[in-house]
Amino acid sequence: DTAVSQTPKYLVTQMGNDKSIKCEQNLGHDTMYWYKQDSKKFLKIMFSYNNKELIINETVPNRFSPKSPDKAHLNLHINSLELGDSAVYFCATAAGSGNTIYFGEGSWLTVV
Amino acid sequence: AQSVTQLDSQVPVFEEAPVELRCNYSSSVSVYLFWYVQYPNQGLQLLLKYLSGSTLVKGINGFEAEFNKSQTSFHLRKPSVHISDTAEYFCAVSFHSSASKIIFGSGTRLSIRP
Repeated sequence: DTAVSQTPKYLVTQMGNDKSIKCEQNLGHDTMYWYKQDSKKFLKIMFSYNNKELIINETVPNRFSPKSPDKAHLNLHINSLELGDSAVYFCATAAGSGNTIYFGEGSWLTVV
Repeated sequence: AQSVTQLDSQVPVFEEAPVELRCNYSSSVSVYLFWYVQYPNQGLQLLLKYLSGSTLVKGINGFEAEFNKSQTSFHLRKPSVHISDTAEYFCAVSFHSSASKIIFGSGTRLSIRP
């Protein structure tokens, strides 16, 4: 039973399309994140939610909109996809400050 | 400014040789420190973490790291590496003043030669 699961794992789509990536966790953690990993493996935090409330919103284009319907889910919706959005997107969770972050397996997004 | 620096983007070593991966951080507040490993086409998993107490921390797969507050470093070491240790290694920092914010270094690619 996967602790942090993301769907889809692979996604190839055309420029201009709108797509969503879903994340679910069964760890009961309060905090959930979205990270973006580019082709050089650099990991950048995009958003952080705590108990369904947005805590961190880094400098991310407003084409990216996170949604947390409940504490166990944090979805990422991307409008008007651009070539530069191609990356691996990781969902992650943590129980609180100083606690281990648990990562999902990643969603490989390719925009063509 | 708060930041994490991994000076080495790639570290090639021979199998059974020792290795040290360097990590330095910058922060005006107390920190928690982590090392994560990422195997090809997978997510990140925790190797070890420092929260408080003993500055020498032991993790999985024979890795250890030492927190040095005066040098603001948290270098990762292993006395004898194996082919299976080939992966990307990330140092990460979270800050006591901002519980939800965790910053990752740029990663170090460890490649093991037979």
